[in-house]
Parts: sequence; structure tokens; C-alpha cells
Amino acid sequence: RKEVEQDPGPFNVPEGATVAFNCTYSNSASQSFFWYRQDCRKEPKLLMSVYSSGNEDGRFTAQLNRASQYISLLIRDSKLSDSATYLCVVNPADSWGKLQFGAGTQVVVTP
Amino acid sequence: DTAVSQTPKYLVTQMGNDKSIKCEQNLGHDTMYWYKQDSKKFLKIMFSYNNKELIINETVPNRFSPKSPDKAHLNLHINSLELGDSAVYFCASSQAVSTYGYTFGSGTRLTVV
Repeated sequence: RKEVEQDPGPFNVPEGATVAFNCTYSNSASQSFFWYRQDCRKEPKLLMSVYSSGNEDGRFTAQLNRASQYISLLIRDSKLSDSATYLCVVNPADSWGKLQFGAGTQVVVTP
Repeated sequence: DTAVSQTPKYLVTQMGNDKSIKCEQNLGHDTMYWYKQDSKKFLKIMFSYNNKELIINETVPNRFSPKSPDKAHLNLHINSLELGDSAVYFCASSQAVSTYGYTFGSGTRLTVV
């Protein structure tokens, strides 16, 4: 089983619509969680951290479910510029800073 | 100002050659990393240095040798390049990774022919 699993997509989303996707992780002792965004042929960039109580940043909402070991990302009012691959990232306990990356979920926003 | 900069951006070389990739960060971070992203887009850690000391050394062929002359620099030297080494190599740095995650460089796209 992979340490971090994501649906690769693509999720084809009409502009203005809402899209949501999940990621599951295997290490129940994982301490912190992030969503990164990676555009084609670019480096991953931090989108947002994920807090236990859930958090929102503009049109983006992240949720953490420790009991079921998954995190989710919801994008409201999708923009064409939201088209990217979204990487789920987990910081396991005692990892010496070694973050675990999912392979990414591709989102394509269409006009 | 570029926070994490890598050079070169592109590298095309023949099998058997030796090449180096350089990375520098001006964020004052203590920890730097090398990650490899293969054709399936999966990011895998290779090495990590904290204040010039090697702290993570994953199962990587010993043809790959990192070097950190100071905490702002982490270079990667690869000997006897093989076709399977073709990938994008990302340098990253962090401070308080649990809170802030990594900052990545723009990547080096290595193609071995």
C-alpha cells in the first residue's frame, strides 16, 4: 500500500463549478498535512496547510479526518487558472522532515 | 529574489557521463533536500542535509553523491549516468517543516540519451 494515495483524475470541471477530492494516508501517527499545487513543468508550490479543525483560504477549503486517515480539498467557483495537479503531502512522525507526497490529482477547468 | 535556485534548468547528456546540479537557498533555512520526480510524477526523497550534515540518505545508487559546503548550498553529483536517471530533480529547503512544509526550486530536467 502506498503511504499517500490520491485519485489521479483528471477531474474535468466547468468554470464556476465546485470540485472536491480526497487523499488517504497510511501512517496514523502523521503530524501535519499540506496541499501543494504543481503546474505543468513547474515546481510544487504550497497551497495550504491542513489543520485538524479544517481551514479555508479564499475559494479553497481543506479538511482532515484523522479517524479515517484522509484529507480533502474543495475548490469553489473554479477558475481556469485552477487547472493544475494537486499534491497531497503528509508529514509522518519521526520522519526527520521527510515529507511524503501523493502522486497528485489533476484538475482541468474548462470554459 | 529567487528563494531556492537550481542550475542548470535543463541538462541533456550521454550515458556514462558525470554531471552536477547546484542548488542555493537565500531563505536562511537549516534543512535542504533533493527529490526526484519520475515520469509518473511521483516525488521521492533522495537526500536531506541539516546544517551541512547528512540526515536522510534513501536507497539511492552510490553514483549519486550530495555535497553541502554550507547550509545555503546543496549540490548533487551523478557519476556514470544511466538512461533510468532521466527525471526532474527538485531541490527544496525548509525551516519548521511541520508548520511550513518545503520551498522548492524550479527543478532540473535531466535527460540521459
